Amino acid sequence: GQQLNQSPQSMFIQEGEDVSMNCTSSSIFNTWLWYKQDPGEGPVLLIALYKAGELTSNGRLTAQFGITRKDSFLNISASIPSDVGIYFCAGQNKYNNNDMRFGAGTRLTVKP
Amino acid sequence: SAVISQKPSRDICQRGTSLTIQCQVDSQVTMMFWYRQQPGQSLTLIATANQGSEATYESGFVIDKFPISRPNLTFSTLTVSNMSPEDSSIYLCSVDDPRGFTDTQYFGPGTRLTVL
Repeated sequence: GQQLNQSPQSMFIQEGEDVSMNCTSSSIFNTWLWYKQDPGEGPVLLIALYKAGELTSNGRLTAQFGITRKDSFLNISASIPSDVGIYFCAGQNKYNNNDMRFGAGTRLTVKP
Repeated sequence: SAVISQKPSRDICQRGTSLTIQCQVDSQVTMMFWYRQQPGQSLTLIATANQGSEATYESGFVIDKFPISRPNLTFSTLTVSNMSPEDSSIYLCSVDDPRGFTDTQYFGPGTRLTVL
């Protein structure tokens, strides 16, 4: 099946720093999604991208849908302690029964 | 978005028993999905549950082990049968956008299962 490569696996940053993570795929997706999961919770949708080249912001978060439709990145600006968690990318193919694949996750630690 | 609840939120079960997990959504949705998240891992799709038809299982998952019900457009159950310690995971249900406008999935809070 389609595989997503998400990097980095983990990040340790100081409060106030910017963060960037990305996902790549060998296959094309028509939707890219970014989720955050806190311990003991389900993933919460942060940003959804529906068009190649689309750049979307949600507060301090910005994500882009790559032109090739095979990659996406998520940036977090001016990180704060509550940004701690695991971030997952997901690609969805609506032409394949809405098949959705997840990246392995990026574990973010923010040091005050 | 959709508001999704799962029951139970967590359980500790004995080997060989079965557990049924419920997923309730506050809006009618076309598609409901069940995922497994093993400790420290990403999410793996178990099956897609459509109302009025049998669930569609992903490779490596079978109906005898993970029977699914979808009696209406707001409810689904996943049963983990004949459990072993390897079944210890978080089980998550998700739904597609109830408005049907976007290719998005929303997740429930998960059920944390420990099998002894």
